[in-house]
Amino acid sequence: AQSVTQLGSHVSVSEGALVLLRCNYSSSVPPYLFWYVQYPNQGLQLLLKYTSAATLVKGINGFEAEFKKSETSFHLTKPSAHMSDAAEYFCAVSGLTGGGNKLTFGTGTQLKVEL
Amino acid sequence: EAGVAQSPRYKIIEKRQSVAFWCNPISGHATLYWYQQILGQGPKLLIQFQNNGVVDDSQLPKDRFSAERLKGVDSTLKIQPAKLEDSAVYLCASSPGRQTTDTQYFGPGTRLTVL
Repeated sequence: AQSVTQLGSHVSVSEGALVLLRCNYSSSVPPYLFWYVQYPNQGLQLLLKYTSAATLVKGINGFEAEFKKSETSFHLTKPSAHMSDAAEYFCAVSGLTGGGNKLTFGTGTQLKVEL
Repeated sequence: EAGVAQSPRYKIIEKRQSVAFWCNPISGHATLYWYQQILGQGPKLLIQFQNNGVVDDSQLPKDRFSAERLKGVDSTLKIQPAKLEDSAVYLCASSPGRQTTDTQYFGPGTRLTVL
């Protein structure tokens, strides 16, 4: 079975500080990994995805994530937080044998950005 | 390009009543998904369509939930009768196909409250 674990349901950073949101996966086959962002009362928007090309993936709004097979991790980072980054972030995995492109989501991390 | 459309945005019903949600995917997208997102959790796939055929409905509570995509475009998700635990946001998503690297695009969701 495959799953994702997001460490920390709530993360708080100061504006201008580094953002680090953690995601670990478990999969018996090489996974495809995604980060989505959800603003209040809106659907999910794709930030970036890892599809077995480059291990460092750059996404929208200055976010990036690095796939580390040895650590089974796909942590999301942004060098400098902005107030507009406050939202909920979901890590997701697909590519399980027989699962096709079914997405399995983590429980989410709520990011708060303080002045 | 228009995104995924969903209606209604909000619905309040009493338990044992029935309710239906509508989704219009991005034009040309063959694959359509319905997810259930309970407060504090990540989205969970209920059903996946490829054109008008069901690909995966393993997590759909078939005794009360039903979904259809008759002409391979719009889709309707129905709950009959509703239970308190059905209170959630119901998200519709679409993708061009079923490749594991295909991005799923989400609609704004329908927030259901069952009293």
